[in-house]
Parts: sequence; structure tokens; C-alpha cells
Amino acid sequence: AQTVTQSQPEMSVQEAETVTLSCTYDTSESDYYLFWYKQPPSRQMILVIRQEAYKQQNATENRFSVNFQKAAKSFSLKISDSQLGDAAMYFCAYRTWNYGGSQGNLIFGKGTKLSVKP
Amino acid sequence: IAGITQAPTSQILAAGRRMTLRCTQDMRHNAMYWYRQDLGLGLRLIHYSNTAGTTGKGEVPDGYSVSRANTDDFPLTLASAVPSQTSVYFCASRGQGYNSPLHFGNGTRLTVT
Repeated sequence: AQTVTQSQPEMSVQEAETVTLSCTYDTSESDYYLFWYKQPPSRQMILVIRQEAYKQQNATENRFSVNFQKAAKSFSLKISDSQLGDAAMYFCAYRTWNYGGSQGNLIFGKGTKLSVKP
Repeated sequence: IAGITQAPTSQILAAGRRMTLRCTQDMRHNAMYWYRQDLGLGLRLIHYSNTAGTTGKGEVPDGYSVSRANTDDFPLTLASAVPSQTSVYFCASRGQGYNSPLHFGNGTRLTVT
């Protein structure tokens, strides 16, 4: 079974600085998808970025980028120019390519709480 | 605005009572999911439905049941609530396409006393 590990329960960053959140996963599959979701205090789950495992190029979305290392099974999230609104819980998630069973289900890490200091 | 609506937003429930959490989506997504979120545990899958008329068990299905009579609605029922079911419950759906992300409702905070 696949597992997702976020080793940093809490992180802190100064406003305008850069922070990297770690995520590792375990799988025997060769094709899969990886996601980062943001959960602010409002409780809403917001998609930040996604990465297809077959793509070599790291995904980017404005100030958010990933460092995807497939061989190491690592999928870290880098937030540049951190803003106060980035303060939230961040979840790394794995989705299998397998279309049997629960199609498209996400397996989540336990989350990293990010604080942004003004 | 297209999306997922969950009701109620929050609820306090006495142990032993029956409760149904409602979830409705208007995006015509086939796949729908129920997760529970607990501090320090992330989100865990309770039940899922790949299409109307079918359901399946996730990682933590005990004490919960679901139905999927049509595409839009996916209610989650606690037949006899217990304190360990105190949690935040999220309903989600997924569109077609291999890389389609999950869309989440805003969650229901349930407290079982």
C-alpha cells in the first residue's frame, strides 16, 4: 500500500522569504500523481499544485514550485516570497494510476502547519 | 457557483444517535468520496463511489454507511454515533481525466458527546 510522509509537523517562515515543505512517499507503481493542498483556517481544501510522475519537469504555479525526485520518492513544495496569506496547513497527497477500486482516491500525509511571520 | 455543498456546517450529537451528513455537487462528477480529518492523522478515506449506483469501502469505513442514488448526492450516515467519530468530515468529487484533482466541500465539524 502507498504511504505519504510529511516529516515536518510545523514550519515557520519570515514574510517575503522562501520556505520548503518536505514530502516523501512509498509506492511500487511507476505511474501516479502527486498533489499539494492548502488548508487555511477557513477549513477549505485548496489545490496548490499537481505533478504527473511521468513528467520530468517540475511543476510551478506562480510562487509555488515543486522539487520532484522520482527515484528518491520525494516531492517537496517551495513557496517563494512568502505572504501572510500563505499561513495554513499543507497536505501532500498521492493518487494512484490504478483505475480499479477507489478510482482517483488521494492518500494524504499528516500535514505541515506553516506560520508566516510579518 | 459550481461546487460541493455540505450540510450541516457543524453539529453536536449525543452518542447513540443517528446522523446523516449531506453532500451535493453540481459539477456532474462521477466519482465522490468521504474523508475524515483528525489532528495529526491527516485525511482518511471512509467510503467512495465511482459512479451513481456503486459504493465502496475506504480505509476507515466502520460505523459509517453511504448511498449514491444519483450523480449529485452522496450522503454519509452514522447509524449510532460514538465519541471516536468526533471529527471534521469532508466530501469530495473528481472529474473525468487522469490528472483531475479532487474538489472538496467546506467540511462538517461533528462532535459526539
